[in-house]
Amino acid sequence: DAGVTQSPTHLIKTRGQHVTLRCSPISGHKSVSWYQQVLGQGPQFIFQYYEKEERGRGNFPDRFSARQFPNYSSELNVNALLLGDSALYLCASSRLGVQETQYFGPGTRLLVL
Amino acid sequence: AQKVTQAQTEISVVEKEDVTLDCVYETRDTTYYLFWYKQPPSGELVFLIRRNSFDEQNEISGRYSWNFQKSTSSFNFTITASQVVDSAVYFCALHFGNEKLTFGTGTRLTIIP
Repeated sequence: DAGVTQSPTHLIKTRGQHVTLRCSPISGHKSVSWYQQVLGQGPQFIFQYYEKEERGRGNFPDRFSARQFPNYSSELNVNALLLGDSALYLCASSRLGVQETQYFGPGTRLLVL
Repeated sequence: AQKVTQAQTEISVVEKEDVTLDCVYETRDTTYYLFWYKQPPSGELVFLIRRNSFDEQNEISGRYSWNFQKSTSSFNFTITASQVVDSAVYFCALHFGNEKLTFGTGTRLTIIP
């Protein structure tokens, strides 16, 4: 079975622009979570979606939004990009909620100039 | 609030040596889960183990072993006979209830050939 997939793998944007990151969960997994990992730090929780509903939100500004589609894939959107948004964005999926083991994708490396 | 501390920022050992990565956690809850993930240079977080708070039995999987001690709130990870392929950043993480998965800051392990 395929693992979690994310696109694009790398992205370069300039300040003020908008970005959309995409994630496809493992087949059969209904929960998707997004994490931001700044260089040298552990991943920080951004959002969790289960059955297309937001089930959790981390301490991130409203510039960050996400949604989950009927096929359980997900998008993370970030508006008005700042230099500090440069990071590795990781998507994780699990069968049910966050109480189960989360399996991570390869991530999208975002660089904001 | 829940917290995970990985005090060892970087560790270097010569190949075939044993190495232990420390993890100390804080949580008010009595039911929780602990995880270890491996992050190679490619960036993808690879799941290694999940333990619940009611199972204090140590676990061994090949060259990997885990020592869970509730009395000291620790969940340490030992690699026996280390290999160059073990070089990576290792993260300990904690989850309880419907809360987010909280990661430590990671330990960068370098195995010297």
